[in-house]
Amino acid sequence: GAVVSQHPSRVICKSGTSVKIECRSLDFQATTMFWYRQFPKKSLMLMATSNEGSKATYEQGVEKDKFLINHASLTLSTLTVTSAHPEDSSFYICSARIGGSGNTIYFGEGSWLTVV
Amino acid sequence: AQRVTQPEKLLSVFKGAPVELKCNYSYSGSPELFWYVQYSRQRLQLLLRHISRESIKGFTADLNKGETSFHLKKPFAQEEDSAMYYCALNFGKSTFGDGTTLTVKP
Repeated sequence: GAVVSQHPSRVICKSGTSVKIECRSLDFQATTMFWYRQFPKKSLMLMATSNEGSKATYEQGVEKDKFLINHASLTLSTLTVTSAHPEDSSFYICSARIGGSGNTIYFGEGSWLTVV
Repeated sequence: AQRVTQPEKLLSVFKGAPVELKCNYSYSGSPELFWYVQYSRQRLQLLLRHISRESIKGFTADLNKGETSFHLKKPFAQEEDSAMYYCALNFGKSTFGDGTTLTVKP
C-alpha cells in the first residue's frame, strides 16, 4: 500500500525553541494531509487539514500561530511547533489522502515530541 | 455534530473466542466508516471500510444505519489480534473514536 513517512520519529527540544516535523507521501501524491495529536491511551485529535498550495484549516481550539502547517508540494507537509512548551509534548501523527481515490487515508508512523 | 463512540476502552477475550468491538456514530449525512488498527509500536493501519464490505484478517463489520452502528467482529480471536482498534467516521476529514484495546489471552 501507499507509504507515508514522518521525520523525525523522536525529537527533544528546549522550551521556547521551535521544532519542525515533516510528513512525506513516498509513492503517491497527496492532495490533502492531516495532522493529529495523540495523548497516551487516548484517541487521535485532529489538529488541522492541509491542502496543497493553500492555507491549512485548523480545528477549533488549535492555535494556528503556534502550530504552523505548510503544504508546499503534493508530497510534503510540515508542522512547526513554535515557542514550544512542555505541555506541547505529545505524539504527533500525520496522514495523507490519495488524490482522486476516494477517502483512503494512510498514516505516518508518528513523531514523539518532548519539550524540556 | 459528528461523533464516534467506542463504549469499551478495554476488551479481553480468550484465544478462539468470538470478539465484537462496538462502534456507534452520529452523522446527519451518508456515513463513510472505517476501522483502523494500531499494533504495539506500529503506525495506524486501515483494517477495513464499510463501502468495500471485505473481510480482513477474519474481521468483518456491517454498517447498520438504523442503529447507527459499525461493530467490528471476528468469530475466532487470535493472540496476534491484540492491538488498539479505532473506529472512524469520514466526512472529508476523519473523526476517531477513543479506541478499544483488545487483548486476546492464550
